[in-house]
Order: sequence, then C-alpha cells, then structure tokens
Amino acid sequence: SQLAEENPWALSVHEGESVTVNCSYKTSITALQWYRQKSGEGPAQLILIRSNEREKRNGRLRATLDTSSQSSSLSITATRCEDTAVYFCATGWGANTGKLTFGHGTILRVHP
Amino acid sequence: GPKVLQIPSHQIIDMGQMVTLNCDPVSNHLYFYWYKQILGQQMEFLVNFYNGKVMEKSKLFKDQFSVERPDGSYFTLKIQPTALEDSAVYFCASSFSGGSTEVFFGKGTRLTVV
Repeated sequence: SQLAEENPWALSVHEGESVTVNCSYKTSITALQWYRQKSGEGPAQLILIRSNEREKRNGRLRATLDTSSQSSSLSITATRCEDTAVYFCATGWGANTGKLTFGHGTILRVHP
Repeated sequence: GPKVLQIPSHQIIDMGQMVTLNCDPVSNHLYFYWYKQILGQQMEFLVNFYNGKVMEKSKLFKDQFSVERPDGSYFTLKIQPTALEDSAVYFCASSFSGGSTEVFFGKGTRLTVV
C-alpha cells in the first residue's frame, strides 16, 4: 500500500479557477512537502509544512496539514496555464527527511 | 534558483553493460540522493549519501548499484551490470542539510536498457 497518496488522480480547470489537491499519508512525519513536476523536468518543491504547523502559504499556494487525520491539502488560487503539472505530496521522517516518500501524483491541467 | 544538473539526459545501453549516471549537485549542498521513477509509477528513493558515505539505501538499491562522489566532483550512480528492469528515469537530488529542508531535484536521466 502507498505511504503517501494524492487525490484525485486528475483535475481539469480553466484559468482563474481555484483547485485543491488532497494527500493522505500513513506514517508519522516530521514534515510534508508538496512538489510540482512539469513535463520533462524534475520535481520542484512548492511548500514544506512541518508537523507542528497547520497551514503554510506561498503566493497563490496554500497548504494545510492535519496530523490527527494524516492528511494534507494544497490549494491553488487564480490558476494559470503554467500551473499545468503533476503535483505530489512527499513525506519525510526524522533527522534525514531528504529521504522522501512520494505518492503517484495528481495531474492538473489548466485550460485557457 | 539553485540547480542540480544531470548528465546525460538520455542513455540507451545494452543489457549487461555498465552505465554511470552523473549528477552535479548544488554547490554548497552536503546531502545527495538518487531516486528512480519507472514510467507511470511514483518516484522511489534509492539511496542517500553524506560525507563520503551511503547513509541509507532502499531495497531497490541492488548490489549492482553503487554511488560515489570522488573529491567533490560529480555524484555518480553506477549500475554494473544493467538489467532490463533498470529502465527508468533516475533523478539526482541534493540538500544543504538532512533535516526538514528543501530538496532540489535534477531533470533526470532517462535510462533505457535494451
């Protein structure tokens, strides 16, 4: 079974709309990270939210974390075509959270 | 922003041959990683490396795999001999510290074993 899983599998919106990707995880964590991966590129970190934080913002992005339900969400407001990518949540544990466990990702397509 | 460079971007190799994937991590980073992503599947951790030593490796890091970073040059992943199931995209990553920190990824090397 997956240690981190995003849902839904895919989303399709028009520019300007808001969208939310959810993540559930199965292990204790020290931090959860949201990454975006565009076609032909490696993952790029969007937000890192630590286990003692409930919300973190980065521009149009907002991440929440609920350690009691082991879930997180990433919301993007005022989406743009360039937000089209696969979005991953990745969990880490302990002193070496460079070791990340990724889910399958949510494919987001933003149409003009 | 900081970049991790991977060379080459694509590699095709005959089964049984040796291959070396090269990674130029962010210059002041101290922790280095390799991840493997088979087409259509999630990215999976292979190994991390710090202070000249492997710190942790997953069960995907077979005996045929090895990593090194001689004298601060490229961080390399060597597979010898290669097998068909080694076909995947291999991502190198680096970070300044091993704690809750941003991990920077390269664009990956697509390895095809034929």
